[in-house]
Amino acid sequence: GQQVMQIPQYQHVQEGEDFTTYCNSSTTLSNIQWYKQRPGGHPVFLIQLVKSGEVKKQKRLTFQFGEAKKNSSLHITATQTTDVGTYFCAGRTIKGDSNYQLIWGAGTKLIIKP
Amino acid sequence: KAGVTQTPRYLIKTRGQQVTLSCSPISGHRSVSWYQQTPGQGLQFLFEYFSETQRNKGNFPGRFSGRQFSNSRSEMNVSTLELGDSALYLCASSYPGRANPSRTDTQYFGPGTRLTVL
Repeated sequence: GQQVMQIPQYQHVQEGEDFTTYCNSSTTLSNIQWYKQRPGGHPVFLIQLVKSGEVKKQKRLTFQFGEAKKNSSLHITATQTTDVGTYFCAGRTIKGDSNYQLIWGAGTKLIIKP
Repeated sequence: KAGVTQTPRYLIKTRGQQVTLSCSPISGHRSVSWYQQTPGQGLQFLFEYFSETQRNKGNFPGRFSGRQFSNSRSEMNVSTLELGDSALYLCASSYPGRANPSRTDTQYFGPGTRLTVL
């Protein structure tokens, strides 16, 4: 079936270092969404990317959608303790066999080293 | 607007029992999706309902079922509980954006129901 692979599973960084998580879909997506789940919380929507090659920024967060609309990345500059959590990507498939299903990556857990 | 609510928040059951979880979406949202999340795991999609119809289904056994009512509230049921069913069950509602995928179809998650099977 269709999959969205997300790597890495975990990333340990010192506060102030950068963080990047990558998602790669087995098929072309109509859009991709990013969510953040704080420890003990529930996923919260961050952003949606729709266009090929789209880049969006939210303060220290930069989101990219690949030209082929199959991959995406989230980059955080100069991490802070408030960035701790698990970041999920979720790709919306194109209508067809999958009927616009939202396929979730496994998430990348951002851990700030003390 | 009130957020997505889920009841109960915590539940303890024993193997072989069945359980029903409830989800009330944000007012005006017609799509409800259910997810299972186990420690260290990602979000495993269970099913999605839209206008009382199941629109998508994940790879879970038939013991997991759901339904949606005319007011968009949704329930999921797990029969013959197994130890491995212990998890956080999340529901998410969204405004239908499926007809036009370029519209934001943000998933708004509830706080979840934590199910423990003993």
